[in-house]
Amino acid sequence: DTEVTQTPKHLVMGMTNKKSLKCEQHMGHRAMYWYKQKAKKPPELMFVYSYEKLSINESVPSRFSPECPNSSLLNLHLHALQPEDSALYLCASSRRQGARETQYFGPGTRLLVL
Amino acid sequence: QKEVEQDPGPLSVPEGAIVSLNCTYSNSAFQYFMWYRQYSRKGPELLMYTYSSGNKEDGRFTAQVDKSSKYISLFIRDSQPSDSATYLCAMSGNYGQNFVFGPGTRLSVLP
Repeated sequence: DTEVTQTPKHLVMGMTNKKSLKCEQHMGHRAMYWYKQKAKKPPELMFVYSYEKLSINESVPSRFSPECPNSSLLNLHLHALQPEDSALYLCASSRRQGARETQYFGPGTRLLVL
Repeated sequence: QKEVEQDPGPLSVPEGAIVSLNCTYSNSAFQYFMWYRQYSRKGPELLMYTYSSGNKEDGRFTAQVDKSSKYISLFIRDSQPSDSATYLCAMSGNYGQNFVFGPGTRLSVLP
């Protein structure tokens, strides 16, 4: 089983709203990731959590706030977003086998900021 | 020069054709090579994973790695309309370090 689930599937929000994206995996993976993907571009890494601690923040604006409540859950809190933040937000988790680390992606949340 | 380059596409082929998708890279630290398939409005799905130079086959898909030339390929035999998607190569060093995607190639297989 390599399933990563994300909710909601779609989200429309105004620039003054606060919303959260949720990601869940029950595969015992040690690392979880948030990516942002614009149309016709590859996913861009935003945050990495390793053993529930934030290990990488790719200079993401503070209007995006990640949270890892436990090893299975990852949230992305959104506040005061801009229309240019509209994108597909992907969650991934990864499993390590020796020196090999394999990332598995969820279906994404399609976000539209009005 | 970008760290990973990929044939830009889009690529249109007739059903049944052999498709070749290619990536080149510049970082010698990359040791693990992946191909992801992404259907429109969906998340990337891991298709193939390779480590050493050579070929790895899985059904209609063959992944090829040439570390000396820093070149990887994905071949799709007997392509089907259901193969229409964007294909992203990805690579990393040990323990997932420096994981990076290529820009992606959009493939359309026409019935």
